[in-house]
Amino acid sequence: DVKVTQSSRYLVKRTGEKVFLECVQDMDHENMFWYRQDPGLGLRLIYFSYDVKMKEKGDIPEGYSVSREKKERFSLILESASTNQTSMYLCASSGGGQGIDTQYFGPGTRLTVL
Amino acid sequence: DAKTTQPTSMDCAEGRAANLPCNHSTISGNEYVYWYRQIHSQGPQYIIHGLKNNETNEMASLIITEDRKSSTLILPHATLRDTAVYYCIVRVWDGGYQKVTFGTGTKLQVIP
Repeated sequence: DVKVTQSSRYLVKRTGEKVFLECVQDMDHENMFWYRQDPGLGLRLIYFSYDVKMKEKGDIPEGYSVSREKKERFSLILESASTNQTSMYLCASSGGGQGIDTQYFGPGTRLTVL
Repeated sequence: DAKTTQPTSMDCAEGRAANLPCNHSTISGNEYVYWYRQIHSQGPQYIIHGLKNNETNEMASLIITEDRKSSTLILPHATLRDTAVYYCIVRVWDGGYQKVTFGTGTKLQVIP
């Protein structure tokens, strides 16, 4: 089974702090994604990566950065956390190929910024 | 990606089959139908996908109509743990890196 793990299930940070969210997948997938999910707004893509050291902006990259130094690990960084970044953060990975692009999600990190 | 329409909510008795419908009348020929579910406060879980043939796996069955304009996800023997929001999405993979866009989904409540 594909496994996507995230470093924390719940996280509480203060405004202005630098926050690191880690995601690890064990299926040798090329593609990795960071989303945030908010009530009424659904799932929104922040950043994605299709290879080591490669990254692309999603729909809402402002206030975030990412790092992919190893294929299995994709980190989301909040440079200076703000209260409007309180959200559920979801990591996903996919391997693509053969016309199929199933994304597998991690359990999520619920981040609260005070 | 084609738009999908699902009922907002459904109830199902425990042990009975849960049939969740999805309309995707604007689906194009190379778009797959995917189903995910999200149990409260957890990440979305992939369930099944198909193109035009019916599909079955250990979790569910997917029935796609011949014209591909609608589909039904079937959970053959619903349990309380199947209570979740179920999302039907249609998408094509063209070798790029595409986001998943969930609509509002169907909130399935399995009743004891």
